[in-house]
Amino acid sequence: ETGVTQSPTHLIKTRGQQVTLRCSSQSGHNTVSWYQQALGQGPQFIFQYYREEENGRGNFPPRFSGLQFPNYSSELNVNALELDDSALYLCASSLAGDLYNEQFFGPGTRLTVL
Amino acid sequence: AQRVTQPEKLLSVFKGAPVELKCNYSYSGSPELFWYVQYSRQRLQLLLRHISRESIKGFTADLNKGETSFHLKKPFAQEEDSAMYYCALRGRDDKIIFGKGTRLHILP
Repeated sequence: ETGVTQSPTHLIKTRGQQVTLRCSSQSGHNTVSWYQQALGQGPQFIFQYYREEENGRGNFPPRFSGLQFPNYSSELNVNALELDDSALYLCASSLAGDLYNEQFFGPGTRLTVL
Repeated sequence: AQRVTQPEKLLSVFKGAPVELKCNYSYSGSPELFWYVQYSRQRLQLLLRHISRESIKGFTADLNKGETSFHLKKPFAQEEDSAMYYCALRGRDDKIIFGKGTRLHILP
């Protein structure tokens, strides 16, 4: 059983650019959630994907978008990057319908926007 | 509004002393509450959830609906308990809302 993986580990972009972050869910999981963790803060929910559809969204603007693929891996896309987008981006996978619906987290992608 | 508050950014406790990490929440309805832990250079992981009423690594947490609290406790701190601890609530739309976290530092 493989755990949640994310790529890349680190990324540096400049304001106005676009970025794509990737997440492979844990084997057997069908749901992926994305979180943004700014320095000194707890993770903040961005959105969740289940069966390739967005299934809940936090308080983030439309320039944050995502995809889920048939193999349940997922991408987070951020357009028109702003300095405040600098953060650790976490994805977590889970199995919908599981008794506890526990989310398992990846190691994160550290995004720096200059 | 759904909110999780962890009032302490840093808590330093001597080895062998009791630990209590505070967590208060705001939620209308029956909440599902969790404690997550992140050890140095490791990923965020679930420590315990209130519905299973378990003790993990000597830690327990009791949901107090009257005080809207879910404090994490351990009677005797160990050095390996040093980590970042996040209280979290599963809200509407199944999303998890995290507090800002408390860094627990166990002093030798």
